[in-house]
Amino acid sequence: QKEVEQNSGPLSVPEGAIASLNCTYSDRGSQSFFWYRQYSGKSPELIMFIYSNGDKEDGRFTAQLNKASQYVSLLIRDSQPSDSATYLCAVPGASGTYKYIFGTGTRLKVLA
Amino acid sequence: SAVISQKPSRDICQRGTSLTIQCQVDSQVTMMFWYRQQPGQSLTLIATANQGSEATYESGFVIDKFPISRPNLTFSTLTVSNMSPEDSSIYLCSVARVTEGSGYGYTFGSGTRLTVV
Repeated sequence: QKEVEQNSGPLSVPEGAIASLNCTYSDRGSQSFFWYRQYSGKSPELIMFIYSNGDKEDGRFTAQLNKASQYVSLLIRDSQPSDSATYLCAVPGASGTYKYIFGTGTRLKVLA
Repeated sequence: SAVISQKPSRDICQRGTSLTIQCQVDSQVTMMFWYRQQPGQSLTLIATANQGSEATYESGFVIDKFPISRPNLTFSTLTVSNMSPEDSSIYLCSVARVTEGSGYGYTFGSGTRLTVV
């Protein structure tokens, strides 16, 4: 049974700080990884994906992938109250398919 | 990315009844997906809807309970049949786009919040 684990939080950070969200997965064959942001009462929104080891930056967001250690992280720099949401990690359920396994998400609270 | 319209946005239903959720995409897509998100839980794939063929259901989900229609490449419906309080959940339709690295990024509809009483 493939698993994706995230700390449910809440993770509280002050405005302007770096928020670090982590996700571990069990399937070593996983290739592409996605981060979704879900505001309360809204549907998930894709914000980042990564498939190569290392870092990928997009604005204030940086995704980090370490396949050897089987974890993927999302860093949010200069955190804003508008970043307060639940962040879901998604990992392929099987190599080469469209089916993804979602983590339960980490709730982030950015304190003004 | 695709724009998805989903309705109804929410409903309160009596147990034993059925509700049909509609999903309209602004572009033609081969596969549409139906997810469920129960309170405090993550997303669980119910089924994949392909135009012109039967939907493919995931383990734990059956066609009699969750019949799906896919009459064309821009539209799909999910029916939640013979509802019980355990069916109270958010139901989401989605479409996928291939991303760099051969991954599939999902775009989700706005969701249907179903409460069964």
